[in-house]
Amino acid sequence: GNSVTQMEGPVTLSEEAFLTINCTYTATGYPSLFWYVQYPGEGLQLLLKATKADDKGSNKGFEATYRKETTSFHLEKGSVQVSDSAVYFCALSAMNRDDKIIFGKGTRLHILP
Amino acid sequence: GAGVSQSPSNKVTEKGKDVELRCDPISGHTALYWYRQRLGQGLEFLIYFQGNSAPDKSGLPSDRFSAERTGESVSTLTIQRTQQEDSAVYLCASSLSGGANQPQHFGDGTRLSIL
Repeated sequence: GNSVTQMEGPVTLSEEAFLTINCTYTATGYPSLFWYVQYPGEGLQLLLKATKADDKGSNKGFEATYRKETTSFHLEKGSVQVSDSAVYFCALSAMNRDDKIIFGKGTRLHILP
Repeated sequence: GAGVSQSPSNKVTEKGKDVELRCDPISGHTALYWYRQRLGQGLEFLIYFQGNSAPDKSGLPSDRFSAERTGESVSTLTIQRTQQEDSAVYLCASSLSGGANQPQHFGDGTRLSIL
């Protein structure tokens, strides 16, 4: 079945450091891939998405590239800020339009000033 | 309102009692999802409603859990004979339609505490 695996947290970085949160997936066909973010005290919200191979999703300085050859969708940011502290969830959705979205377990990110 | 609304926001109950959690999706959204998020854990899929199709109940952890949805509107998640391990935040999400390319919009969740 479809599944998502992301790196375990917590991840602790200093402000302005480079961030990578790894995500790999298992799916039949060509799923769409997502990153969701949950800021402290807030609900989950979509951060970025990519719908086909080699697509790059980007938002708020974050990027992730859909790599079919490595079945990965790693989240990156060149210079993190304290305000980026949150839990990040990688997710996929199969191409069947009625299929559900499957989430990874989440990675907690702490950014130190 | 414009977003997904869940009620109550917090619920504290004694072990063995039944609880009912409510979700009002965004108007016009045909897909509705329930998730559970235990403290320090990721999202655990529970159940998925899409239009008039039979719901995907594959994530329900036991027969104490059930959910209903009236048409394409309100959904209720019921937990019978609650146990302490049921303590978690229960999240509801809706999307315009199910599957690929449709981002989910989440409510703020119901924090359930079983004493």
